[in-house]
Amino acid sequence: GAGVSQTPSNKVTEKGKYVELRCDPISGHTALYWYRQSLGQGPEFLIYFQGTGAADDSGLPNDRFFAVRPEGSVSTLKIQRTERGDSAVYLCASSQTGGSYGYTFGSGTRLTVV
Amino acid sequence: GENVEQHPSTLSVQEGDSAVIKCTYSDSASNYFPWYKQELGKGPQLIIDIRSNVGEKKDQRIAVTLNKTAKHFSLHITETQPEDSAVYFCAASLSGSARQLTFGSGTQLTVLP
Repeated sequence: GAGVSQTPSNKVTEKGKYVELRCDPISGHTALYWYRQSLGQGPEFLIYFQGTGAADDSGLPNDRFFAVRPEGSVSTLKIQRTERGDSAVYLCASSQTGGSYGYTFGSGTRLTVV
Repeated sequence: GENVEQHPSTLSVQEGDSAVIKCTYSDSASNYFPWYKQELGKGPQLIIDIRSNVGEKKDQRIAVTLNKTAKHFSLHITETQPEDSAVYFCAASLSGSARQLTFGSGTQLTVLP
């Protein structure tokens, strides 16, 4: 597609529930990133994929968070036993390889845990 | 890890004036410094970036300067227009973790007509 697509755009869930957030990167982009943005703050790194593998997951806050990218394209961020503190906008970005640092971000999924 | 501080948090300028946003970083090994513009309800959009082997870079009304010794970099917008109003974020990439950006906390720029 023309840009990075994230679905859903908004998600409201109850505390303790499981959620999945989806990211469709730009076609041909092999690098994919997840960031989390709390209100009034800059994005915070969560995880980076190169192809199918997680090259750096050092930003995942705890073991309730997990992300996959089984075919090297679409990625899913999974959050178990959601807590109110997980409420934020979850941003996905993609980029080409070959040393390019430029990211293209999607519009994000706004997650609200009530 | 890397720490990026950004100021001011809010900035109002008259249309046509210049705007300057400043950031400092903590890790001297950082080697890539992008700036992003974020409009309400949208993801951040890359507007300009600079690498540590360059001191200044310009793109039309936008310029970025980097002082490696002082570990700070700045965004300069000249001839501001109302459509420049948005939140601007600086970021730094730590050498060895080139794909992981550390962002500042953002500057809300308002250009008054």
